Formats: sequence, C-alpha cells, structure tokens
Amino acid sequence: EAGVAQSPRYKIIEKRQSVAFWCNPISGHATLYWYQQILGQGPKLLIQFQNNGVVDDSQLPKDRFSAERLKGVDSTLKIQPAKLEDSAVYLCASSFTSGSETQYFGPGTRLLVL
Amino acid sequence: AQKVTQAQTEISVVEKEDVTLDCVYETRDTTYYLFWYKQPPSGELVFLIRRNSFDEQNEISGRYSWNFQKSTSSFNFTITASQVVDSAVYFCALSEKGGSEKLVFGKGTKLTVNP
Repeated sequence: EAGVAQSPRYKIIEKRQSVAFWCNPISGHATLYWYQQILGQGPKLLIQFQNNGVVDDSQLPKDRFSAERLKGVDSTLKIQPAKLEDSAVYLCASSFTSGSETQYFGPGTRLLVL
Repeated sequence: AQKVTQAQTEISVVEKEDVTLDCVYETRDTTYYLFWYKQPPSGELVFLIRRNSFDEQNEISGRYSWNFQKSTSSFNFTITASQVVDSAVYFCALSEKGGSEKLVFGKGTKLTVNP
C-alpha cells in the first residue's frame, strides 16, 4: 500500500514570496492533516480536514496560510507571503477516520525562507 | 488543555544498553489515545504504537516495550539491547476523544546509540 506522498521535498524561497505544498494521502483515508515542525520541536497541527471539510484550523495563521482539499483527496497548503519564521518542515498525515485513529505521515517538505 | 512533556531532551547510550524514554501527559478527558513515533534522520515520522486510555496493559514488541500508568499519567518507552539503528528522535503524542481529536506532540527525545 502506498504511503502519504508529498512534494516538493525541499524548497528555498525569499521572504515575501509565496510557496505551495502538495499532499496525497493514503488511499481511502478520510482525514488529512498538515503539521508544521520547527527545528527542535514536535509537530504542531495547522489544519485538519475530514473529507472536504475543515475540522480544526485554530492554529493556522490565516493571514498568510491557506489550505484546501478539493474532492476529498489531495490537498495543498500555501503560504503567501512567507516570513523568515516559516522556515520549518511541513508534514502531511492521514488517518482512516478521526484523529484518534493512527495518523500516518509523509516524508515532509523542508522549507527555508531567506 | 492537553499537554505532553518529554523531559529528556537528549540521551546517549552505548550499543546493547537498555534505555527508557519518559513521557508524561495532561488531559481532562477520560477517553484519550497515546502514541509513540520515531523520526530518524531522514525526517519521516514512523508510527510505533497507539494505546487507548482504557487499556493499561503493558506491551512488548520485539526489543520495544511500553509502560502505561494512568496513576502517574505516564507512558514510557523502553528499548532493550539498543542498536545503532535506534538512533532517532522519539515523540510521544496525545489525542483526546471528542472535538477535532488532534495529535498534540511532546518536544521529542533525541536518542543516540553509539557503537
């Protein structure tokens, strides 16, 4: 069974530029998550989707971050404009149903904002 | 609010030593789930175990074992006869039933196993 796919794996941009990340969850998984992991810390949830709908986006900086999950499968996370403090690894995860189910993570996208 | 504390920032052991990684959690819910993930240098989070709050039985999987104690709100992870391949950052996480059931992670413990 294929795991969670993410692209790109690495991205370097300058501050104030925009960037987008893509995630394809495990087939059949209804719930998709985006996490931000700053160096030396544990992942922090940015947004959680259940099928097409947003379940939790309380920690998403909505002035610059946006995410969508069209058709309940793939998802994109966008940052516009990026700040230096956005340098982090962005992890996508999916689970069969709810958050209390096991979440399986993709390889992540390492973002460096200069 | 839910919280996970991993007090050990870094641990260094010599191969074949046993090592225990501590995890203490806080939650107001009676139904919750605890997880351990491994993050090797490649960066991908690898799922190790999931336990629910009603199952306090300890679990053993090969060289890995987990001790869940609700009385002390702890969910500790022991690696027996450590190997160099065990070197990674290990994260403990908590999910409360109800609401978004999001995972809240601790800050992780970096384990280095030296040959």
